[in-house]
Amino acid sequence: KNEVEQSPQNLTAQEGEFITINCSYSVGISALHWLQQHPGGGIVSLFMLSSGKKKHGRLIATINIQEKHSSLHITASHPRDSAVYICAVPYSGGGADGLTFGKGTHLIIQP
Amino acid sequence: SQTIHQWPATLVQPVGSPLSLECTVEGTSNPNLYWYRQAAGRGLQLLFYSVGIGQISSEVPQNLSASRPQDRQFILSSKKLLLSDSGFYLCALQGAAFGYTFGSGTRLTVV
Repeated sequence: KNEVEQSPQNLTAQEGEFITINCSYSVGISALHWLQQHPGGGIVSLFMLSSGKKKHGRLIATINIQEKHSSLHITASHPRDSAVYICAVPYSGGGADGLTFGKGTHLIIQP
Repeated sequence: SQTIHQWPATLVQPVGSPLSLECTVEGTSNPNLYWYRQAAGRGLQLLFYSVGIGQISSEVPQNLSASRPQDRQFILSSKKLLLSDSGFYLCALQGAAFGYTFGSGTRLTVV
């Protein structure tokens, strides 16, 4: 079973700051997911990546397969970025048995 | 595109009452379907997954059961709710190329 560790658990920053959230996992994977959960609970998929780097707007996700590590960056952070960011990887490295999730990073961006 | 309809969004139920949460899928056929639960202060935990009609795998022994009566319908049930069943329940599907789509979730409070 894959184990996922996220850091930091909580992060408060000022508007405009560059944000980095880290994720480490224990078993080799086919793809890693970054998700965003808003206070109401709904979850949105931000990225799925298996190598290198992806960018969407102010969000950038990177992954190092050899080191089993991924980072999510937010540039020019804004209060609307406040949410819980969750890293998820395949439960057993691949296959049909779903994802295992990190505990999430609670991000607050203050104006 | 693939979408998941999950309802209700919130639910308050007394201890000992039955539970039925439904998840329906559009835009795909024969998906892998999942039920996850997020207890207070914890990460999302896999409860059940299904690779086809009538096929259910359970990851955690508990007071809950799941069924898949139709290809695009996944139901989470309990005969008698416990206080510890409170949490956020999330339905998900695995689509092509390891991508996942998530429902909007149900916040269950057992009182």
